[in-house]
Amino acid sequence: NAGVTQTPKFQVLKTGQSMTLQCAQDMNHNSMYWYRQDPGMGLRLIYYSASEGTTDKGEVPNGYNVSRLNKREFSLRLESAAPSQTSVYFCASSELDRGNIQYFGAGTRLSVL
Amino acid sequence: QKEVEQDPGPLSVPEGAIVSLNCTYSNSAFQYFMWYRQYSRKGPELLMYTYSSGNKEDGRFTAQVDKSSKYISLFIRDSQPSDSATYLCAMNQAGTALIFGKGTTLSVSS
Repeated sequence: NAGVTQTPKFQVLKTGQSMTLQCAQDMNHNSMYWYRQDPGMGLRLIYYSASEGTTDKGEVPNGYNVSRLNKREFSLRLESAAPSQTSVYFCASSELDRGNIQYFGAGTRLSVL
Repeated sequence: QKEVEQDPGPLSVPEGAIVSLNCTYSNSAFQYFMWYRQYSRKGPELLMYTYSSGNKEDGRFTAQVDKSSKYISLFIRDSQPSDSATYLCAMNQAGTALIFGKGTTLSVSS
C-alpha cells in the first residue's frame, strides 16, 4: 500500500520555465490537497479538491494551477516559475469526514533559479 | 490572532527527558485535534488523534486537550534521539479543512 506518491522528488528550474508536479493516492480518498512548506511559515494550502471534478483555492494560489485528473490523481502546475516558488511541496489526501485526517506524500523539493 | 499558535522552538532536551509540546487556538468550534510528526526531508505523518476534550495515550506519547482553555499538548516520556523531528498540531471542525500550527522542532541528544 503506497499511500500518497509524489513525483518528482527533486527539481531545479530556471525562472520562467514551467513544470507539473504529480500526485497519486491509492486510499480511495475523495479529497486531495497541495501545500507548500517554507522555513518559519509552516504548511500553507495552495489548492484543494474536495471531490473529483471540483477544485478550490487555498491560502496561496497565485502562480499555480491544478487539475483533478480522476479520483486518484491531482496535479499542480507552475506555468512560469519564479524564485519565490522555491519550496517543498506536499500533496495530501483525506476522506472529508469528521476528523478529515490527511495523509501526506514524501514531498517535492523545488528550486527555481 | 492566528487560529492556531505553536511555538517553533527549537527545543533541545537530553535523552530520557519528558517533553511537552503545546498549541493554543482561538476557534471554540474545533472538535478534532491531531499531532503530526515530520522527520527531516520527509512528509508529515499522523502521530496522535483526539476527539473533543481529554487525554489519549499511545506508548510514550500522551495527547491532552483542554477545550476550556483552548490549549492542546503532546507529552513524550523517556524521549529518544529517534524522537528528533518537527511536531505539528492540527485541528478542525467536523468535515472541514485542517488548520495546522507552524510546527515545533525537537532535538533529543544522546
